[in-house]
Amino acid sequence: KQEVTQIPAALSVPEGENLVLNCSFTDSAIYNLQWFRQDPGKGLTSLLLIQSSQREQTSGRLNASLDKSSGRSTLYIAASQPGDSATYLCAPVGATSGTYKYIFGTGTRLKVLA
Amino acid sequence: DVKVTQSSRYLVKRTGEKVFLECVQDMDHENMFWYRQDPGLGLRLIYFSYDVKMKEKGDIPEGYSVSREKKERFSLILESASTNQTSMYLCASSPWGGGGAAKNIQYFGAGTRLSVL
Repeated sequence: KQEVTQIPAALSVPEGENLVLNCSFTDSAIYNLQWFRQDPGKGLTSLLLIQSSQREQTSGRLNASLDKSSGRSTLYIAASQPGDSATYLCAPVGATSGTYKYIFGTGTRLKVLA
Repeated sequence: DVKVTQSSRYLVKRTGEKVFLECVQDMDHENMFWYRQDPGLGLRLIYFSYDVKMKEKGDIPEGYSVSREKKERFSLILESASTNQTSMYLCASSPWGGGGAAKNIQYFGAGTRLSVL
């Protein structure tokens, strides 16, 4: 059974810092991995999706990497801003009954201080 | 833009009540999902559906049922609400993944915070 761990659970940094969020998973037989952002009391917003054949995916100040064989993904945020404050969730994707199924980590709660 | 709409942001119900949580998506997606989110436990899959009238159990289906009579609508039903079902409920949808894994991005609604007293 897939288990997903995100470290650290919480992180507080001053504005402008570059930071790395970590995600590890136990079953490397995944199709892809998605990173989400969740603001307090809200739903999830997709940030990046990395296919299993890719090593990296970039969107603006965000860069996600995937090392499927070692069961790891990282989300790199460059030049952090207070608006980046949120919880970040990773979800590797397997398949059940022909439907792609996500297993979520418990998230990293990020606070960027102005 | 894909839109997934959950009918209520906040609900307060009493123990033993029958509760309906509704979710509608406007992108003609085949797949729809219901999750619950609890502190320290993350998101856990309750049920999902890959087609109209089709449903499959997720990791924690006990105490819940679902209905999908139309492609755009997926309902979560708590037959007899209990206090341990107090949680944040999130609905998501995604297109059929047959065109390749890149198409299975899940889109989420804003969530329904349910309190059972």
